[in-house]
Amino acid sequence: NAGVTQTPKFRVLKTGQSMTLLCAQDMNHEYMYWYRQDPGMGLRLIHYSVGEGTTAKGEVPDGYNVSRLKKQNFLLGLESAAPSQTSVYFCASSYKVTDTQYFGPGTRLTVL
Amino acid sequence: DAKTTQPPSMDCAEGRAANLPCNHSTISGNEYVYWYRQIHSQGPQYIIHGLKNNETNEMASLIITEDRKSSTLILPHATLRDTAVYYCIVRPRGGTGFQKLVFGTGTRLLVSP
Repeated sequence: NAGVTQTPKFRVLKTGQSMTLLCAQDMNHEYMYWYRQDPGMGLRLIHYSVGEGTTAKGEVPDGYNVSRLKKQNFLLGLESAAPSQTSVYFCASSYKVTDTQYFGPGTRLTVL
Repeated sequence: DAKTTQPPSMDCAEGRAANLPCNHSTISGNEYVYWYRQIHSQGPQYIIHGLKNNETNEMASLIITEDRKSSTLILPHATLRDTAVYYCIVRPRGGTGFQKLVFGTGTRLLVSP
């Protein structure tokens, strides 16, 4: 089991560029989550998904879109990157909403 | 808002037990206490969770007071690789509604040789 994997590990964008972060899990989990973590702060939930084909907004959804076309994948998109989106992005998954969440290694994104 | 209070930092000598406290005085009867840790630049790692009984696994022990208002995570023989930020989180044990995992600022544990 690879657990939760994220690609890419690092990325540098210019303001206004777009990109997609990919999260994959091989644990057959129903729930998947995208968080961002900024220096000195805890994790903040961006979007989450309760199953294939469904998504919902978290605490800080503005500027991001997500899709869950396959159960094992959860994509996070930035349509027009802004410097305020410079952060470390973590994906997580869980079998049920109240179960333990397992996290990926993170993607470090810098927007210039 | 985080429902827990933790000291911002702690030190521990390598090989000694690390005891990390957490206050959760407003915890309700249907909420678990979870512990995660985050080693520098890595994703959060699940450690252990409990409801009211003490719990132990291969990583740590969790001691929850009888009134459930506080708990202690114990790393029995801390190593340098245990240096990390440790998060204590309370969350419901069940229900169908979404309950987000709220990470506070945690305790930064530094294990020294």
